[in-house]
Amino acid sequence: QKEVEQNSGPLSVPEGAIASLNCTYSDRGSQSFFWYRQYSGKSPELIMFIYSNGDKEDGRFTAQLNKASQYVSLLIRDSQPSDSATYLCAAPGSSNTGKLIFGQGTTLQVKP
Amino acid sequence: NAGVTQTPKFRILKIGQSMTLQCTQDMNHNYMYWYRQDPGMGLKLIYYSVGAGITDKGEVPNGYNVSRSTTEDFPLRLELAAPSQTSVYFCASTKQVAGYEGYTFGSGTRLTVV
Repeated sequence: QKEVEQNSGPLSVPEGAIASLNCTYSDRGSQSFFWYRQYSGKSPELIMFIYSNGDKEDGRFTAQLNKASQYVSLLIRDSQPSDSATYLCAAPGSSNTGKLIFGQGTTLQVKP
Repeated sequence: NAGVTQTPKFRILKIGQSMTLQCTQDMNHNYMYWYRQDPGMGLKLIYYSVGAGITDKGEVPNGYNVSRSTTEDFPLRLELAAPSQTSVYFCASTKQVAGYEGYTFGSGTRLTVV
């Protein structure tokens, strides 16, 4: 059974700080990962996709993938109160169905 | 484009009742999914479909059924509702497997079984 693990938090950071969210996965063969943001009472929305080892940057967001250590992280620079949400990490469940396995999510609170 | 449309948004069921959660997408996506999300938890896959006429079980299929007669529609049927099925249900679709676009989610159905 493939697993994706996240610390449920809450992770609390002051406005303007860097928020670091982490995710570990059990399947060493996983090639790609997704980060979704979910505001309370809303559906998840995709914010980052990372496929290769190393970093991928998109605005204030940076995803980091370390396949050897089997973890993927999301850094949010200059955190804003509007970043307060639950962040879900997801990995493909199989190669030909598009299924995703989600972690339980980390709740981020950015305090003004 | 409407994207993925789910109805109803809220529903209260009594134990033993049945209902169908509707999901429609207008993006011509072949791949569709039903997930449930319990409070403070991630999403668990109930059923999925890789194309019209093809469905398969996910991680937590017991108590549910699906059908996929068209590319657009992927309804989820709850038979004999139980309190354990109280949850938020999300329908999602994607254009290609393992693609960078990820899922498009519907807005969810919040179901309470009493």
